[in-house]
Amino acid sequence: EPEVTQTPSHQVTQMGQEVILRCVPISNHLYFYWYRQILGQKVEFLVSFYNNEISEKSEIFDDQFSVERPDGSNFTLKIRSTKLEDSAMYFCASGRGSGTYNEQFFGPGTRLTVL
Amino acid sequence: AQTVTQSQPEMSVQEAETVTLSCTYDTSESDYYLFWYKQPPSRQMILVIRQEAYKQQNATENRFSVNFQKAAKSFSLKISDSQLGDAAMYFCASNNAGNMLTFGGGTRLMVKP
Repeated sequence: EPEVTQTPSHQVTQMGQEVILRCVPISNHLYFYWYRQILGQKVEFLVSFYNNEISEKSEIFDDQFSVERPDGSNFTLKIRSTKLEDSAMYFCASGRGSGTYNEQFFGPGTRLTVL
Repeated sequence: AQTVTQSQPEMSVQEAETVTLSCTYDTSESDYYLFWYKQPPSRQMILVIRQEAYKQQNATENRFSVNFQKAAKSFSLKISDSQLGDAAMYFCASNNAGNMLTFGGGTRLMVKP
């Protein structure tokens, strides 16, 4: 069964460094999402992406964040200058279509630790 | 804007018994879906069950069923015949027209053997 994959599973970085989190969505999916979950807190929406552009983004997704689908298979989340508060689990998700129902399939997550 | 509230931070159930997890929500959307996701210790989010808001019939998936009360904006999850593998965090969520998911704070379910 196809699944969303994410690499790395755990990333440790120094404050101020740039990180790129990678996701490979399910191959026939067209909609892509990033969520984050700070330890012990709820899962929060960051951004949705369709047709090579951002569809929707939350207040969390400020200028330090960017997303890209560089090669038709990968979907990346870049954080330009990491802060301590960026430490969280980052989940990628993908779905076939939009509208009122579009099941999102989640990847296993990347744990980002900012020191 | 959407909000999802789970008032039970932790619940405990005896193996083979039934447990109900509560969720309330608020949305300005006229057409939406509601979801329950399971997050085991591996942290991966797994869809357990979904409910279409325009359908009055409560969704069921094997041992999992929901009690959807649209007027009260309530969406509870019932797990029957609880198994040890059901132990996890459970998140209630709703979507908007753009399919952004809004999650509740989660309920940690413990299953006692």
